[in-house]
Amino acid sequence: KQEVTQIPAALSVPEGENLVLNCSFTDSAIYNLQWFRQDPGKGLTSLLLIQSSQREQTSGRLNASLDKSSGRSTLYIAASQPGDSATYLCAVLNAGNMLTFGGGTRLMVKP
Amino acid sequence: KAGVTQTPRYLIKTRGQQVTLSCSPISGHRSVSWYQQTPGQGLQFLFEYFSETQRNKGNFPGRFSGRQFSNSRSEMNVSTLELGDSALYLCASSLNVRTAYEQYFGPGTRLTVT
Repeated sequence: KQEVTQIPAALSVPEGENLVLNCSFTDSAIYNLQWFRQDPGKGLTSLLLIQSSQREQTSGRLNASLDKSSGRSTLYIAASQPGDSATYLCAVLNAGNMLTFGGGTRLMVKP
Repeated sequence: KAGVTQTPRYLIKTRGQQVTLSCSPISGHRSVSWYQQTPGQGLQFLFEYFSETQRNKGNFPGRFSGRQFSNSRSEMNVSTLELGDSALYLCASSLNVRTAYEQYFGPGTRLTVT
């Protein structure tokens, strides 16, 4: 059974800092890995998707890496802004088109 | 292109009642999945439909059921509601062909059971 863990559970940083969110998974037989952002009480916004054959993806200030063999992914956020405050969720897609989610990292960026 | 839509956005029901939630996927997407999000359990997979067939089901009791119509719209039904069913229910759609498995989520339906 796939298990996904995210560390840290919560993070508070001053504006402008670069930060790294971590995600680990137990079963490397994944189709892809997605990073999502969730604002309080809202749905999920897809930030980055990394196919199982890829090593990283970049979008603006965001960079996500994937090491399938070790079961790890990181989301790097450069020059953080208060608007980045949200919960970040990592999810892996296994057979059956089923996403398994981590518990999320709650990020607060202070002005 | 319109995103995934879910209706209603908010619902308040009483224990023992039943509820139906609706999800319209992105145009052209044939796969629709449902997830339950609670503070205690996080996001959990309920089931997935593709071309009107349920292909996969999570570990939820039979009170949770769903269906998909020929236009790919999906409904989820919960019967005999319990307090623990209070949650944000999220629907996701994807193309689900070749490598196009990216999941797109709707805004969710917030269900409160009293």
